Amino acid sequence: AQSVTQPDIHITVSEGASLELRCNYSYGATPYLFWYVQSPGQGLQLLLKYFSGDTLVQGIKGFEAEFKRSQSSFNLRKPSVHWSDAAEYFCAVGARNTDKLIFGTGTRLQVFP
Amino acid sequence: EPEVTQTPSHQVTQMGQEVILRCVPISNHLYFYWYRQILGQKVEFLVSFYNNEISEKSEIFDDQFSVERPDGSNFTLKIRSTKLEDSAMYFCASSEVIEEQFFGPGTRLTVL
Repeated sequence: AQSVTQPDIHITVSEGASLELRCNYSYGATPYLFWYVQSPGQGLQLLLKYFSGDTLVQGIKGFEAEFKRSQSSFNLRKPSVHWSDAAEYFCAVGARNTDKLIFGTGTRLQVFP
Repeated sequence: EPEVTQTPSHQVTQMGQEVILRCVPISNHLYFYWYRQILGQKVEFLVSFYNNEISEKSEIFDDQFSVERPDGSNFTLKIRSTKLEDSAMYFCASSEVIEEQFFGPGTRLTVL
């Protein structure tokens, strides 16, 4: 069955520290992979996406993610976290033959000064 | 920057009542979607809409649900007879191409 797993429900980091949010997927077709961020009261904002090609993708707000097919993973990283990065982060998977995105349960990021 | 808007931000209704959730997609987008997120659970796909018809729907999207694009700008989700389990955050999304969906801020539906 198609699924997305975000193993970390809640992560706390200090401002300036590096960040890695984990995402694993199970998908039969060649996946399209996405990371979205949701701040309180806001919609889901697309951070970055992977369709094909270079497995390291750059996104907005200084985020990047690496697609590792052998590990079925698409982890999100940022070298230095800012207090404004505190939000909920969702990994999602889609494919060419479907309109729908399948989301993970999300990881809530808390940033301490 | 263009964005997807949704109204109302919060809707409270009695069980059995009909509700209509409204969305204004980004103006040049051709594909429209509804997702929902029950509190504490994943964001789930409900339906996609293209060229004035449903393109894809999930098993959640049963006969109680319908979607419509009544004019050139709005996209609505109607729940005919709400149940307690319909309480959730409902997200509208739109896209110019399927692969990049832009989401609205959501409507929180509370069914009493």
